[in-house]
Amino acid sequence: SQQGEEDPQALSIQEGENATMNCSYKTSINNLQWYRQNSGRGLVHLILIRSNEREKHSGRLRVTLDTSKKSSSLLITASRAADTASYFCAPRSTDSWGKLQFGAGTQVVVTP
Amino acid sequence: DTGVSQNPRHKITKRGQNVTFRCDPISEHNRLYWYRQTLGQGPEFLTYFQNEAQLEKSRLLSDRFSAERPKGSFSTLEIQRTEQGDSAMYLCATGDGRVQETQYFGPGTRLLVL
Repeated sequence: SQQGEEDPQALSIQEGENATMNCSYKTSINNLQWYRQNSGRGLVHLILIRSNEREKHSGRLRVTLDTSKKSSSLLITASRAADTASYFCAPRSTDSWGKLQFGAGTQVVVTP
Repeated sequence: DTGVSQNPRHKITKRGQNVTFRCDPISEHNRLYWYRQTLGQGPEFLTYFQNEAQLEKSRLLSDRFSAERPKGSFSTLEIQRTEQGDSAMYLCATGDGRVQETQYFGPGTRLLVL
């Protein structure tokens, strides 16, 4: 299965702290994407990192990708209460024909 | 708002009834995906369309489920003879079909089967 697996399952931090979550996957990928989901809502795309990239930034987000270890990490710096959400990684395998296979996600709670 | 809309947003039905959900994609997107999400889990892939052609169906999609995209624009997902286990959030996503495609998700339809 090409399903992404996020770790930890849950993370509780205070505003201003950094939050780091990890993703592991199993086979060759074209890219890996991170999504956020606020409670009961649809998913919002955060960032896409291609298989030939090692690090990417977008605002307060930093994503790394290590294809040799088949892992990725998402760092949220200077967290805010509005960052409270579930975060999912979605590796897109070279033979997935487009579908994304999500793990159970990391639930992040940021307290003021 | 991602530009993908879904209707209805909520649906409560009794076991055994049929339900139909609609997804309106971003107009220039030729790919449309359906996912199902239960509490505490990530979305699970159900099926996807390239224009009007249904190209892949998950084993999760039993014979009671059918999806269409008749003119390559909006799509419908129908569940016949609903069961309590069908209770979930049904998510639609669309994309432009490139290798580095980003999928844009709608707000979802939450189904409760009593």
